[in-house]
Parts: sequence; structure tokens; C-alpha cells
Amino acid sequence: SQQGEEDPQALSIQEGENATMNCSYKTSINNLQWYRQNSGRGLVHLILIRSNEREKHSGRLRVTLDTSKKSSSLLITASRAADTASYFCVPRAGANNLFFGTGTRLTVIP
Amino acid sequence: NAGVTQTPKFQVLKTGQSMTLQCAQDMNHEYMSWYRQDPGMGLRLIHYSVGAGITDQGEVPNGYNVSRSTTEDFPLRLLSAAPSQTSVYFCASSYEEGTGGYTFGSGTRLTVV
Repeated sequence: SQQGEEDPQALSIQEGENATMNCSYKTSINNLQWYRQNSGRGLVHLILIRSNEREKHSGRLRVTLDTSKKSSSLLITASRAADTASYFCVPRAGANNLFFGTGTRLTVIP
Repeated sequence: NAGVTQTPKFQVLKTGQSMTLQCAQDMNHEYMSWYRQDPGMGLRLIHYSVGAGITDQGEVPNGYNVSRSTTEDFPLRLLSAAPSQTSVYFCASSYEEGTGGYTFGSGTRLTVV
């Protein structure tokens, strides 16, 4: 399977707390991408981390990648109600298409 | 710059009817794909294209046709709609492999009765 598996399936936190989501995958990758999908809307690309990178930051997002364990994590700091969404990790192995799992559904309670 | 535009946003079809979901991008992207999203199943790839005149099947191509006569447009055709095709459909595009993420349209919610 080329898709990532997100864990947990659902996460509920208070506004201002940090949210951590994990991703495991099975293939060798060129890069790994995280996407967000708000309820009933399209997907938005958040961040891409290449296979030779271990950590990457973008605003309140921090992504780590451990290729030896075939795992990644997405940390959202100081969460906001607007962060409520489903988050998907997409491992890329060079194919031209994307394979999505079922995601982590994050709920941020105001 | 509109990005990826999908039309219509909502559609109800009767079983056996045919229709075309439109997808257009104005970013000169080579790669375009169609996905369907069903509860509990994530996104599944239907068809994709690596450039004008080139298409290929994804995970769940049955019941759908595509064509790519121009770089900008990638329509998805439902040949004979079935209730199992009730889903939300997303079109996505990317300009180059590995250099960034895909840009997604806002989706088409299709109901087949």
C-alpha cells in the first residue's frame, strides 16, 4: 500500500493546546506531504518534507520525518478553532498520483 | 489566478443518466487527477493525466472516462450513473513531480438516486 496511515483517527483538544498527529507508511519515499481538509471543503497542501530532511517548520506547524522507522509527525502549536479539520499524510515515492488514507480528524474546542 | 475550478458544485442524477464533471486549471500544470472521497475510505484515485493527450487509470476507474485534449482541462465523464457513484469528487493538479504539493478544486458533491 502506498498510502500513509494516520494516528490517532480522532483528536480533541482545547484551544491553545498543541496537537500532535502521527503517520506511518510502508514504502521508500522521496518526500512526505501533509494536507488539511476542512469539513465539506477541498484539500489544502500544508507542508512537504524531503526524505533527506528530519525536521521542518512552517508557521505553527512542525513536521518530523524518520525514514528508518517510516514515520512522520505533524505538530500544530497553539491550536485555534480554525485548525479544526482532517489531516492527511501522503508519502510520495515518485508516482504522479497521490494516495490518501482516512486521516486524523482534529477538533479544537474554543 | 483561479487555481483549480470544478463545476458543478452539486449535482443529482438518476440512475442510468450520464454527465460530465468539469475541471479546469490556469496554472499550466502538467499533472491532473480525479479523486472520489467516501466516508471512512479516504480519497481514492479514479484517473490521472501526466500531460495533454495522456491519461491513465487509478484505483477505481470503472464507470468513468476521462480525456485531456488541452493542458487546462480534464473532464470526468460518468457513462451510466449508479448509486455507488454517490460521492464527493475532487480534481487536483500539480506542475512538477516532487517540487511541491497538489492544488485541489473545491469538489463536486454528486448524488445518484
